[in-house]
Amino acid sequence: AQSVAQPEDQVNVAEGNPLTVKCTYSVSGNPYLFWYVQYPNRGLQFLLKYITGDNLVKGSYGFEAEFNKSQTSFHLKKPSALVSDSALYFCAVRALNSGNTPLVFGKGTRLSVIA
Amino acid sequence: EPEVTQTPSHQVTQMGQEVILRCVPISNHLYFYWYRQILGQKVEFLVSFYNNEISEKSEIFDDQFSVERPDGSNFTLKIRSTKLEDSAMYFCASSVMKGNPPQHFGDGTRLSIL
Repeated sequence: AQSVAQPEDQVNVAEGNPLTVKCTYSVSGNPYLFWYVQYPNRGLQFLLKYITGDNLVKGSYGFEAEFNKSQTSFHLKKPSALVSDSALYFCAVRALNSGNTPLVFGKGTRLSVIA
Repeated sequence: EPEVTQTPSHQVTQMGQEVILRCVPISNHLYFYWYRQILGQKVEFLVSFYNNEISEKSEIFDDQFSVERPDGSNFTLKIRSTKLEDSAMYFCASSVMKGNPPQHFGDGTRLSIL
């Protein structure tokens, strides 16, 4: 069975500082990993994905994520946080090459960037 | 950029009543999904739909739930007799068929059962 853990309910960071939002996963076979962001009263907005290849994946709004197979992690990062990055971030996984099976989401991490 | 659109944005319904949530997926997408998010909890999969039939469904998607693609554009979720615990945000998502594409989500319908 697939699962995702986001160990932090809340991450606070000062504007201009680097940010990291943590995610670890469990899946049978190779993973297909996503990060989504949710702004208030909005749906889930796709940020980036990892399938294969370079372990560092770049996505929207300056975000990137690093895939680490040995640690089964896919942490979201940004070198310099903006106040507008404040939102709820969800990590999701499904098994690669499993057709279009549904995503399994983590419980989300609320990011607050303080000016 | 094309979007998944959902209507209504907020639905208030008496317990026991039927409710239909509507979604217009992105036009060239072939897989459709419903997820829900109970307030303060994680996003949970309900059902996936492809080629006019259900592909997968979760334990949440019991006999009270049904999905339909009544025409070439809409994708609906019906809850036959709503319960208090059905109160949640319901998200529609769609994806193209090829490869391992991301799912694109709508802004959701907030369902409040009184």
